[in-house]
Amino acid sequence: KAGVTQTPRYLIKTRGQQVTLSCSPISGHRSVSWYQQTPGQGLQFLFEYFSETQRNKGNFPGRFSGRQFSNSRSEMNVSTLELGDSALYLCASSLAQGLSSYEQYFGPGTRLTVT
Amino acid sequence: AQSVAQPEDQVNVAEGNPLTVKCTYSVSGNPYLFWYVQYPNRGLQFLLKYITGDNLVKGSYGFEAEFNKSQTSFHLKKPSALVSDSALYFCAVRHSSYKLIFGSGTRLLVRP
Repeated sequence: KAGVTQTPRYLIKTRGQQVTLSCSPISGHRSVSWYQQTPGQGLQFLFEYFSETQRNKGNFPGRFSGRQFSNSRSEMNVSTLELGDSALYLCASSLAQGLSSYEQYFGPGTRLTVT
Repeated sequence: AQSVAQPEDQVNVAEGNPLTVKCTYSVSGNPYLFWYVQYPNRGLQFLLKYITGDNLVKGSYGFEAEFNKSQTSFHLKKPSALVSDSALYFCAVRHSSYKLIFGSGTRLLVRP
């Protein structure tokens, strides 16, 4: 099976702009989670989607939003970018069935740089 | 509240020697614990998990982890380190609301 794919891999944006990141989960996986990784804050949970519904949300401002489509693909949007949004954004997918639902498989990430 | 602590920012070990990367956790209820590894400019790769059963869990690339309930620890181990094991290692606990709570990460350096 193909792994989790994320596009684009690298992005450079200017403060105040908005950005959309895309994630395609492993085939058959219904849950998609997003994480932000920075040197200072480490790995922080953004939100999780299951069957097109947001099940959980982390402690991020409303500028961070997401959605999931019927084919389980997910997008994450960040509006009014700030310098502090520069980070590696990781997407993870999960089978969400039984004990295997506890395993999350990560994509390579999107490196966002805000200037 | 669930939390994970990785007390060492960096672990240095010589190739061929055994390695241990430490992790302690705090959870309410049964702990679901994971180890992930991250290589430069890559996402996280799943190594192993503890859900239930044997306290010694075997995972990918020869790694194993020992679950110790009394010490609330889940240390990652490997009998013989390789230079290629040098990477950033994360311990994580599954939160009751489906998200993973990660530790701060431990950088493993294996010298030839």
